[in-house]
Amino acid sequence: DAMVIQNPRYQVTQFGKPVTLSCSQTLNHNVMYWYQQKSSQAPKLLFHYYDKDFNNEADTPDNFQSRRPNTSFCFLDIRSPGLGDAAMYLCATSGIGENEQFFGPGTRLTVL
Amino acid sequence: TQLLEQSPQFLSIQEGENLTVYCNSSSVFSSLQWYRQEPGEGPVLLVTVVTGGEVKKLKRLTFQFGDARKDSSLHITAAQPGDTGLYLCAGAPLNTGFQKLVFGTGTRLLVSP
Repeated sequence: DAMVIQNPRYQVTQFGKPVTLSCSQTLNHNVMYWYQQKSSQAPKLLFHYYDKDFNNEADTPDNFQSRRPNTSFCFLDIRSPGLGDAAMYLCATSGIGENEQFFGPGTRLTVL
Repeated sequence: TQLLEQSPQFLSIQEGENLTVYCNSSSVFSSLQWYRQEPGEGPVLLVTVVTGGEVKKLKRLTFQFGDARKDSSLHITAAQPGDTGLYLCAGAPLNTGFQKLVFGTGTRLLVSP
């Protein structure tokens, strides 16, 4: 089945220790998104890729970076995690011109 | 700034009851999606509505898009414990060159046996 996969599902890191979250998709979608979601709140868009074009949201901290080496994979790098960065991180994809987004299962990040 | 307000924020009901969740905005959307998110998982797309006044049914769930495409509702008939989760509406704004969704504030539903 075509799907969006995120690894790891749970990540524990220490304050200030860099961490990378990964996302892969078999949907062959051109657009990939990274969201941050804190408890019971709506997902907050961090950035997205339209093919290889990177688009950062204006209020996304510089601490958050992303890479998309190919169509299938996308990475979220948090350079120096703070306690406030503990959250669920969601990856989503969509086809060009399509409004529906398909989400992965998420990575729960804990910062100690 | 486009906002989608959902109501109620939290709903706790008994199995077998009916309920309606509302998603309201002052902005017009080209389409609107409803997602359900279970604890520890990502949102799962339930339905997309596109046409003003459109009604879609998914088993016991009925979705309606407002005539002016500014609001939507989700009605669940005879709720079951498996319906428990966070329900999110998300709208695609008009006239944006990019497919960015505006998410609603969310409704947390708890259905007890």
